[in-house]
Amino acid sequence: QKEVEQNSGPLSVPEGAIASLNCTYSDRVSQSFFWYRQYSGKSPELIMSIYSNGDKEDGRFTAQLNKASQYVSLLIRDSQPSDSATYLCAVKNSGNTPLVFGKGTRLSVIA
Amino acid sequence: GAGVSQSPSNKVTEKGKDVELRCDPISGHTALYWYRQRLGQGLEFLIYFQGNSAPDKSGLPSDRFSAERTGESVSTLTIQRTQQEDSAVYLCASSLAGQVGAVVGYTFGSGTRLTVV
Repeated sequence: QKEVEQNSGPLSVPEGAIASLNCTYSDRVSQSFFWYRQYSGKSPELIMSIYSNGDKEDGRFTAQLNKASQYVSLLIRDSQPSDSATYLCAVKNSGNTPLVFGKGTRLSVIA
Repeated sequence: GAGVSQSPSNKVTEKGKDVELRCDPISGHTALYWYRQRLGQGLEFLIYFQGNSAPDKSGLPSDRFSAERTGESVSTLTIQRTQQEDSAVYLCASSLAGQVGAVVGYTFGSGTRLTVV
């Protein structure tokens, strides 16, 4: 069974620090990886996608992928209280298959 | 439309009644997905439509659940004889075709919060 694992948290970081969110996946043929942010009571919104090994940066966000270790992470630099949310890792195989989501990590940025 | 639209936003129903949830995807998005999210839990895949292909129903939890989609537009998720364990937020998402090698993210609707009493 394809699984995506995340630490449920909460992960608490002070304002301005780097928040590091981690995710592991079980299916070696996974090809595309996504990070979604979900505020309480709201639907998930896509913030990053990555499919090649290495780092991908977008503003304060950096996604890191290591396919050999089946590990994907999200770094949030200069964390702000508005970053406080649950971050969902999602994984996709090739072709017409649905995303498999982790249960999410709750991040709390303390002002 | 500009985004994925779901209705109703909230639904309270009595145990044993049938409910129908509606999703209107982004225009041009050929793929449509239904997920369920119980309180404090992750997203649980239910069913997936891609163009005119047979839907992937592998996530439907029981035969009380069914879904239809008309072409590449509106989809309805029907839950028959609702049970209290069906209480959850039902999220619909759409995307461009999930082609091999493509990095295609989903756009989610705001969900339908179903409460079975």
